[in-house]
Amino acid sequence: DQQVKQNSPSLSVQEGRISILNCDYTNSMFDYFLWYKKYPAEGPTFLISISSIKDKNEDGRFTVFLNKSAKHLSLHIVPSQPGDSAVYFCAASANQAGTALIFGKGTTLSVSS
Amino acid sequence: NAGVTQTPKFQVLKTGQSMTLQCAQDMNHNSMYWYRQDPGMGLRLIYYSASEGTTDKGEVPNGYNVSRLNKREFSLRLESAAPSQTSVYFCASSVTVNTEAFFGQGTRLTVV
Repeated sequence: DQQVKQNSPSLSVQEGRISILNCDYTNSMFDYFLWYKKYPAEGPTFLISISSIKDKNEDGRFTVFLNKSAKHLSLHIVPSQPGDSAVYFCAASANQAGTALIFGKGTTLSVSS
Repeated sequence: NAGVTQTPKFQVLKTGQSMTLQCAQDMNHNSMYWYRQDPGMGLRLIYYSASEGTTDKGEVPNGYNVSRLNKREFSLRLESAAPSQTSVYFCASSVTVNTEAFFGQGTRLTVV
């Protein structure tokens, strides 16, 4: 059973607009959430993270929002740029359980100019 | 700074052959991981090593074995390769098991 779900396989956005990528999780033990970006033929690269004690974390054009009651997080990219076109993975871990990161299936973002 | 280095980058195996994927990190990280990426399946955890001397199964461990050779190196072994193991394999490392992981460039394995 999937513990981290990214229900939208793809998203298309115009340059300059906002991109919103969503992620849901089922394990209430998860307390640390991350977003990774992956270009073809490369390894995933860390983008931004958020701890369960926060509900928002911002880094430049990237903001992650966490809604613990809904077990939902989202990644906002503003403004979107063509270079943001990639696969975005949501990941989660449970500090107390000491388990490794569990990833979602990914969302392919396409930003057109 | 090399980060996480995986060898080989590409490999073709025949069904039943064995091979070992090598991974080394130079960031003095305690934890290391092996993931596989398949179309539509995302990144799935095969095995991980929270610290030197320990290994644990992930989501899809069947058909694989691992060795944490030392703090720097974590290898993944396929004893008898099957076509279902055709995938892109990623090694990663992190300071501790629940912090951001840094990934290698991947090994594209095809089993025919």
